[in-house]
Amino acid sequence: DAGVTQSPTHLIKTRGQHVTLRCSPISGHKSVSWYQQVLGQGPQFIFQYYEKEERGRGNFPDRFSARQFPNYSSELNVNALLLGDSALYLCASSWAFEAFFGQGTRLTVV
Amino acid sequence: EDQVTQSPEALRLQEGESSSLNCSYTVSGLRGLFWYRQDPGKGPEFLFTLYSAGEEKEKERLKATLTKKESFLHITAPKPEDSATYLCAVQADNYGQNFVFGPGTRLSVLP
Repeated sequence: DAGVTQSPTHLIKTRGQHVTLRCSPISGHKSVSWYQQVLGQGPQFIFQYYEKEERGRGNFPDRFSARQFPNYSSELNVNALLLGDSALYLCASSWAFEAFFGQGTRLTVV
Repeated sequence: EDQVTQSPEALRLQEGESSSLNCSYTVSGLRGLFWYRQDPGKGPEFLFTLYSAGEEKEKERLKATLTKKESFLHITAPKPEDSATYLCAVQADNYGQNFVFGPGTRLSVLP
Protein backbone atom coordinates (compact mmCIF):
# COMPACT_ATOMS: atom_id res chain seq x y z
CA ASP A 1 0.00 0.00 0.00
CA ALA A 2 1.23 3.47 -0.85
CA GLY A 3 1.68 5.72 2.11
CA VAL A 4 1.36 9.49 2.12
CA THR A 5 3.34 10.95 -0.77
CA GLN A 6 4.63 14.49 -0.92
CA SER A 7 6.30 16.41 -3.71
CA PRO A 8 8.79 17.80 -4.22
CA THR A 9 11.14 16.38 -1.58
CA HIS A 10 13.43 19.38 -1.60
CA LEU A 11 12.97 22.93 -2.82
CA ILE A 12 15.06 26.10 -2.80
CA LYS A 13 13.29 29.44 -3.28
CA THR A 14 14.22 33.09 -3.08
CA ARG A 15 12.65 35.54 -0.65
CA GLY A 16 9.43 37.01 -2.03
CA GLN A 17 8.69 34.06 -4.30
CA HIS A 18 5.69 31.77 -4.15
CA VAL A 19 5.74 27.99 -3.55
CA THR A 20 3.25 25.14 -3.98
CA LEU A 21 3.67 21.87 -2.12
CA ARG A 22 1.65 18.78 -2.95
CA CYS A 23 0.35 15.82 -0.98
CA SER A 24 -1.46 12.60 -1.86
CA PRO A 25 -3.10 10.87 1.12
CA ILE A 26 -3.37 7.17 1.82
CA SER A 27 -6.10 5.60 -0.29
CA GLY A 28 -9.43 5.87 1.51
CA HIS A 29 -8.34 8.72 3.80
CA LYS A 30 -10.46 11.83 3.34
CA SER A 31 -8.65 14.14 5.76
CA VAL A 32 -5.37 15.89 5.07
CA SER A 33 -3.48 18.15 7.43
CA TRP A 34 -0.37 20.28 6.95
CA TYR A 35 2.32 20.92 9.52
CA GLN A 36 5.46 23.04 9.57
CA GLN A 37 8.51 21.72 11.40
CA VAL A 38 11.39 24.06 12.06
CA LEU A 39 14.71 22.40 12.84
CA GLY A 40 14.88 21.20 16.43
CA GLN A 41 11.18 21.71 17.16
CA GLY A 42 8.03 19.63 16.99
CA PRO A 43 5.65 20.04 14.04
CA GLN A 44 3.18 22.95 14.19
CA PHE A 45 -0.33 22.66 12.77
CA ILE A 46 -1.11 24.82 9.72
CA PHE A 47 -4.34 23.52 8.11
CA GLN A 48 -6.73 20.62 8.07
CA TYR A 49 -9.05 19.71 5.21
CA TYR A 50 -11.81 17.13 5.17
CA GLU A 51 -13.95 16.39 2.15
CA LYS A 52 -12.54 19.50 0.44
CA GLU A 53 -13.58 21.81 3.27
CA GLU A 54 -11.26 23.59 5.66
CA ARG A 55 -11.80 22.17 9.13
CA GLY A 56 -9.04 23.88 11.03
CA ARG A 57 -6.40 26.57 10.73
CA GLY A 58 -3.35 27.13 12.90
CA ASN A 59 -1.71 30.38 13.86
CA PHE A 60 -0.09 31.17 10.53
CA PRO A 61 -0.31 34.36 8.42
CA ASP A 62 -2.60 34.73 5.42
CA ARG A 63 0.39 34.12 3.14
CA PHE A 64 -0.31 30.45 3.81
CA SER A 65 -3.27 28.87 2.03
CA ALA A 66 -4.33 25.36 1.07
CA ARG A 67 -6.96 23.44 -0.78
CA GLN A 68 -8.12 19.86 -1.21
CA PHE A 69 -9.17 18.33 -4.49
CA PRO A 70 -12.00 15.84 -5.28
CA ASN A 71 -9.48 12.96 -5.19
CA TYR A 72 -8.51 14.13 -1.64
CA SER A 73 -5.03 15.25 -2.65
CA SER A 74 -4.01 18.64 -1.33
CA GLU A 75 -1.83 21.64 -2.05
CA LEU A 76 -0.20 24.05 0.36
CA ASN A 77 0.63 27.46 -1.05
CA VAL A 78 2.90 30.03 0.52
CA ASN A 79 3.19 33.53 -0.93
CA ALA A 80 5.85 36.20 -0.40
CA LEU A 81 8.32 33.75 1.11
CA LEU A 82 10.40 34.86 4.08
CA LEU A 83 13.65 33.36 5.35
CA GLY A 84 11.71 32.15 8.39
CA ASP A 85 9.54 29.96 6.19
CA SER A 86 12.48 27.60 5.76
CA ALA A 87 11.33 24.33 7.31
CA LEU A 88 10.21 20.76 6.72
CA TYR A 89 6.58 20.81 5.59
CA LEU A 90 4.69 17.68 6.54
CA CYS A 91 1.43 16.36 5.23
CA ALA A 92 -0.63 13.98 7.37
CA SER A 93 -3.40 11.69 6.16
CA SER A 94 -6.01 10.80 8.75
CA TRP A 95 -8.49 8.07 9.42
CA ALA A 96 -10.57 8.51 12.60
CA PHE A 97 -8.17 9.85 15.23
CA GLU A 98 -4.91 8.49 13.82
CA ALA A 99 -2.63 10.32 11.43
CA PHE A 100 0.14 9.07 9.17
CA PHE A 101 2.77 11.43 7.87
CA GLY A 102 4.56 11.73 4.57
CA GLN A 103 8.30 12.18 4.26
CA GLY A 104 7.94 15.92 4.01
CA THR A 105 9.13 18.67 1.70
CA ARG A 106 12.29 20.45 2.80
CA LEU A 107 11.87 24.12 1.83
CA THR A 108 14.88 26.40 1.95
CA VAL A 109 14.35 30.13 1.41
CA VAL A 110 17.47 32.10 0.49
CA GLU B 1 -2.92 27.38 28.14
CA ASP B 2 -2.69 23.94 26.51
CA GLN B 3 0.85 22.66 26.52
CA VAL B 4 2.91 19.58 25.74
CA THR B 5 6.43 19.25 27.11
CA GLN B 6 8.96 16.46 26.78
CA SER B 7 11.98 15.53 28.84
CA PRO B 8 14.81 15.08 28.61
CA GLU B 9 15.61 17.18 25.56
CA ALA B 10 18.35 14.71 24.61
CA LEU B 11 19.39 11.33 25.96
CA ARG B 12 22.47 9.23 25.34
CA LEU B 13 22.32 5.54 26.23
CA GLN B 14 24.69 2.65 25.87
CA GLU B 15 23.32 -0.28 23.93
CA GLY B 16 21.26 -2.39 26.35
CA GLU B 17 20.80 0.42 28.88
CA SER B 18 17.05 0.80 29.49
CA SER B 19 15.46 4.20 30.16
CA SER B 20 12.25 6.22 29.90
CA LEU B 21 11.18 9.34 28.04
CA ASN B 22 8.55 11.64 29.52
CA CYS B 23 5.72 13.60 27.92
CA SER B 24 3.70 15.94 30.16
CA TYR B 25 0.55 17.62 28.95
CA THR B 26 -1.99 20.15 30.13
CA VAL B 27 -5.03 20.07 27.83
CA SER B 28 -8.76 20.10 28.33
CA GLY B 29 -10.69 17.15 26.98
CA LEU B 30 -7.87 14.83 25.94
CA ARG B 31 -8.95 12.59 23.07
CA GLY B 32 -5.70 10.75 22.60
CA LEU B 33 -1.95 10.86 23.14
CA PHE B 34 0.30 9.75 20.32
CA TRP B 35 3.95 8.74 20.10
CA TYR B 36 5.91 9.11 16.89
CA ARG B 37 9.49 8.32 15.95
CA GLN B 38 11.29 10.67 13.57
CA ASP B 39 14.58 10.05 11.80
CA PRO B 40 16.58 13.09 10.60
CA GLY B 41 15.03 14.73 7.55
CA LYS B 42 12.11 12.26 7.49
CA GLY B 43 8.45 12.45 8.41
CA PRO B 44 7.25 11.15 11.80
CA GLU B 45 6.52 7.42 11.94
CA PHE B 46 3.50 6.38 13.99
CA LEU B 47 4.24 4.23 17.06
CA PHE B 48 1.33 4.26 19.54
CA THR B 49 -1.99 5.82 20.43
CA LEU B 50 -3.18 5.92 24.05
CA TYR B 51 -6.71 7.01 24.86
CA SER B 52 -7.25 6.68 28.59
CA ALA B 53 -5.30 6.79 31.84
CA GLY B 54 -3.91 3.39 32.77
CA GLU B 55 -3.61 2.24 29.19
CA GLU B 56 -0.36 0.60 28.06
CA LYS B 57 0.88 -0.47 24.63
CA GLU B 58 3.99 -2.36 23.56
CA LYS B 59 5.92 -2.79 20.37
CA GLU B 60 9.23 -4.64 20.33
CA ARG B 61 11.52 -2.79 22.78
CA LEU B 62 9.08 0.11 23.33
CA LYS B 63 6.28 0.39 25.85
CA ALA B 64 4.05 3.45 26.23
CA THR B 65 1.98 4.25 29.30
CA LEU B 66 -0.50 7.02 30.08
CA THR B 67 -1.63 8.78 33.26
CA LYS B 68 -3.92 11.78 33.62
CA LYS B 69 -1.04 14.22 33.28
CA GLU B 70 1.78 12.44 31.51
CA SER B 71 2.92 9.60 29.33
CA PHE B 72 6.11 7.58 29.43
CA LEU B 73 7.87 5.81 26.61
CA HIS B 74 9.97 3.03 28.11
CA ILE B 75 12.82 1.66 26.02
CA THR B 76 14.10 -1.73 27.11
CA ALA B 77 17.59 -2.89 26.07
CA PRO B 78 17.85 -0.34 23.24
CA LYS B 79 19.87 -0.92 20.11
CA PRO B 80 21.70 1.68 17.96
CA GLU B 81 18.86 1.51 15.41
CA ASP B 82 16.53 2.96 18.07
CA SER B 83 18.41 6.27 17.77
CA ALA B 84 15.91 8.91 16.62
CA THR B 85 13.81 11.80 17.88
CA TYR B 86 10.70 10.66 19.73
CA LEU B 87 7.74 13.01 19.47
CA CYS B 88 4.69 13.11 21.68
CA ALA B 89 1.46 14.69 20.44
CA VAL B 90 -2.03 15.18 21.86
CA GLN B 91 -5.46 15.52 20.36
CA ALA B 92 -8.04 17.37 22.41
CA ASP B 93 -11.62 18.51 22.10
CA ASN B 94 -10.54 22.02 21.12
CA TYR B 95 -8.40 20.87 18.21
CA GLY B 96 -10.63 18.64 16.13
CA GLN B 97 -8.40 16.02 14.54
CA ASN B 98 -5.28 18.14 14.85
CA PHE B 99 -2.25 17.51 16.97
CA VAL B 100 -0.29 19.62 19.38
CA PHE B 101 3.24 18.27 19.41
CA GLY B 102 5.91 18.44 22.06
CA PRO B 103 9.46 19.44 21.09
CA GLY B 104 10.72 15.87 21.07
CA THR B 105 13.47 13.90 22.80
CA ARG B 106 16.60 13.13 20.76
CA LEU B 107 17.74 9.64 21.64
CA SER B 108 21.21 8.36 20.80
CA VAL B 109 22.08 4.73 21.49
CA LEU B 110 25.78 4.03 21.37
CA PRO B 111 27.13 0.57 20.47
